[in-house]
Amino acid sequence: AQSVTQLDSHVSVSEGTPVLLRCNYSSSYSPSLFWYVQHPNKGLQLLLKYTSAATLVKGINGFEAEFKKSETSFHLTKPSAHMSDAAEYFCVVSVSGGATNKLIFGTGTLLAVQP
Amino acid sequence: GAGVSQSPSNKVTEKGKDVELRCDPISGHTALYWYRQSLGQGLEFLIYFQGNSAPDKSGLPSDRFSAERTGGSVSTLTIQRTQQEDSAVYLCASSLGRSSYEQYFGPGTRLTVT
Repeated sequence: AQSVTQLDSHVSVSEGTPVLLRCNYSSSYSPSLFWYVQHPNKGLQLLLKYTSAATLVKGINGFEAEFKKSETSFHLTKPSAHMSDAAEYFCVVSVSGGATNKLIFGTGTLLAVQP
Repeated sequence: GAGVSQSPSNKVTEKGKDVELRCDPISGHTALYWYRQSLGQGLEFLIYFQGNSAPDKSGLPSDRFSAERTGGSVSTLTIQRTQQEDSAVYLCASSLGRSSYEQYFGPGTRLTVT
């Protein structure tokens, strides 16, 4: 079965410092992976997606993620955190085949950005 | 263009009552999904529609939950005889099709069962 594991439930960084949110995946074949962000009392917004093209994926707001098959990882990074990045981030794997087509979410990482 | 819309944004109901939650997907999106977000269970899949058919209902937690989609567009999620454990945010998403197409989410309906 496909799944994702977010290694940190909370991450706190200072404004202007790098962000690293860690995600490991489990999949029997090449997965489609996503990062979504959810700001307080807002809906889920797609940050970026990986679908077996380039292993380094660039997303919105300066975020990027690197697919590493050898490490089964898909970590999210940003060189310099901004106050507006404070939100909850979800690593997601797509399960598609036969009758099913759905997203499996990780447990989320709450990012706090300190001034 | 317009995104996914959901109504109502908030719903408070008494235990045992039935509720209907509505989702309007992005125009032209053939696939529609319902998810639930709760403190204890995180974000979990409920049901997937392709057109008006629901080939995957595996996430519906009990037979009190049902959903339909008409005209390949609007979908309604119905919860009968609501229980306190049904309290959650119900999210709807749509996509152009299946497979690797990204899903776009609505703002959700916050359901509180008292």
